[in-house]
Amino acid sequence: AQKITQTQPGMFVQEKEAVTLDCTYDTSDQSYGLFWYKQPSSGEMIFLIYQGSYDEQNATEGRYSLNFQKARKSANLVISASQLGDSAMYFCAMREWGRDDKIIFGKGTRLHILP
Amino acid sequence: NAGVMQNPRHLVRRRGQEARLRCSPMKGHSHVYWYRQLPEEGLKFMVYLQKENIIDESGMPKERFSAEFPKEGPSILRIQQVVRGDSAAYFCASSPETGNTEAFFGQGTRLTVV
Repeated sequence: AQKITQTQPGMFVQEKEAVTLDCTYDTSDQSYGLFWYKQPSSGEMIFLIYQGSYDEQNATEGRYSLNFQKARKSANLVISASQLGDSAMYFCAMREWGRDDKIIFGKGTRLHILP
Repeated sequence: NAGVMQNPRHLVRRRGQEARLRCSPMKGHSHVYWYRQLPEEGLKFMVYLQKENIIDESGMPKERFSAEFPKEGPSILRIQQVVRGDSAAYFCASSPETGNTEAFFGQGTRLTVV
């Protein structure tokens, strides 16, 4: 079974609009972390935002926020006021603390920002 | 504080040759992870190492692939007798020993087998 599911292979969004990238996860652990990474066309992996399973508040980092719904096991990334430079591949990932500690990635969503 | 350093950035090998990919983790990080990314796909976990120990190699192919993280020096991912299907981007990530934090990625090594 997939641990991380990103159901949107690609998205097109108008510049300056907000965009939500979906991510659901599967774990039986109580202690875990959720991450979002951005991969532009240049190929590097850029860390965006982190949410711990015990964090009561949704994580925010500038224009990025993570809509964490623990009961639904979802961790959607919200980008406000999108910019052309946001066009990239976005990966949701999970790390189960105390189990094997490795980070598991979803298949990604390719986001295209339209001028 | 330098980030995770991977070298080389690009590596071309002929079929049957060996590929050695190096990863120097961030200062103070003792956990190293290797991932493989095929074109237009996500990152697939390969192996997780701590200093001198392989913790989880469940994602490593059983043959031709090996990894190490010695007490001194970088982590090495070694691919023997490369085949065309080994062509991919290989990413290394590191994280500290303690604390619930993200892993920091290197810029990757793009291996092309010709």
